[in-house]
Amino acid sequence: DAGVIQSPRHEVTEMGQEVTLRCKPISGHDYLFWYRQTMMRGLELLIYFNNNVPIDDSGMPEDRFSAKMPNASFSTLKIQPSEPRDSAVYFCASRQTGTHQPQHFGDGTRLSIL
Amino acid sequence: EDQVTQSPEALRLQEGESSSLNCSYTVSGLRGLFWYRQDPGKGPEFLFTLYSAGEEKEKERLKATLTKKESFLHITAPKPEDSATYLCAVQAQSDYKLSFGAGTTVTVRA
Repeated sequence: DAGVIQSPRHEVTEMGQEVTLRCKPISGHDYLFWYRQTMMRGLELLIYFNNNVPIDDSGMPEDRFSAKMPNASFSTLKIQPSEPRDSAVYFCASRQTGTHQPQHFGDGTRLSIL
Repeated sequence: EDQVTQSPEALRLQEGESSSLNCSYTVSGLRGLFWYRQDPGKGPEFLFTLYSAGEEKEKERLKATLTKKESFLHITAPKPEDSATYLCAVQAQSDYKLSFGAGTTVTVRA
């Protein structure tokens, strides 16, 4: 079975540019999560969706970050304008409904802002 | 706020040398505690879910246990392929978010 698919795997861009990260969750999963991982702060939840609706965006660092889920099989995380401190690995995860269902992660996008 | 503390930060083992990793947590009503394995350049890979104190789960050389305040991941007779970072996360009753610890990086030498 296909897992969570993220693209691109690597992104290098200059400060001030717009960055768009993409995620395809596992089919049939109705929760989708975006995380950021850095050496200093570990894995941090940015936002999560249930049935394409944003439920909790309290982890989004500032207005430069936005996330959308236009349908059950696609989500984007956008940073505009990007800054060097946004450099990190961004992960997408999905899970099924159910009390003890685990989240399944993609392999991430390594983002470097120069 | 949910808190997860993992120790040690790093663990170097000789092949066959069993050891344990600790995950201490504070959460207002535990829905579940999750263990993940992360290899370099990859996303976290799900290992176990534990729901209630006293529960144990096993998979190959790994066994996870849960008490009311902490969880242990025991690695029995490890092999070099068990080298990875092991992450612990908790989910509160009130939510579907996971709060992660910083992880324990395990290196097993042949």
